[in-house]
Amino acid sequence: AQSVTQLDSQVPVFEEAPVELRCNYSSSVSVYLFWYVQYPNQGLQLLLKYLSGSTLVKGINGFEAEFNKSQTSFHLRKPSVHISDTAEYFCAAQNRGTSYGKLTFGQGTILTVHP
Amino acid sequence: DTEVTQTPKHLVMGMTNKKSLKCEQHMGHRAMYWYKQKAKKPPELMFVYSYEKLSINESVPSRFSPECPNSSLLNLHLHALQPEDSALYLCASGDPGLAVVEQFFGPGTRLTVL
Repeated sequence: AQSVTQLDSQVPVFEEAPVELRCNYSSSVSVYLFWYVQYPNQGLQLLLKYLSGSTLVKGINGFEAEFNKSQTSFHLRKPSVHISDTAEYFCAAQNRGTSYGKLTFGQGTILTVHP
Repeated sequence: DTEVTQTPKHLVMGMTNKKSLKCEQHMGHRAMYWYKQKAKKPPELMFVYSYEKLSINESVPSRFSPECPNSSLLNLHLHALQPEDSALYLCASGDPGLAVVEQFFGPGTRLTVL
């Protein structure tokens, strides 16, 4: 069975500091990996995705993530956060070859950026 | 147009009411999804339509009834709901013909059942 674990439920950080949101996955088959952001009372917006190739993936809003197959991790990073990055972040996995692109989500990490 | 739209944004209904949620996309996607999201939880998949046919029903109670009138529209009909059904209902769309199916989400409908 596939599972996604986000290791921190809440991450407080000061503005302009770096941040890392951690995600580990478990799957018996190869997966595609995604990070989504959800601002309060809004839908999910795709930040970035790993499909294949380079293990360092760059996304929108200055975020990047590194796929590590040996550690089955896909951690999200930003070198300098802004107040506007305050939101909930979801890591998700999709089995390669799955029907209909079913996503398995982690439990989410609430990032709070303080001035 | 890379947007998924949902109406209404907010809905308050009693347990005996019948209401519908609507979702629309014009990206030519042939898969559409309904998710339920409770506060501080990830979205939970409810239904998937692929090429206008119901392909996945994640054991959702029959008080939720999905409908896909055409490839651009997805409805969720609600009847005799319970207070615990209060949640954010998200619609998404994607292209099932691709190796990786990226899902595009709408802004959601915030449902409150009294």
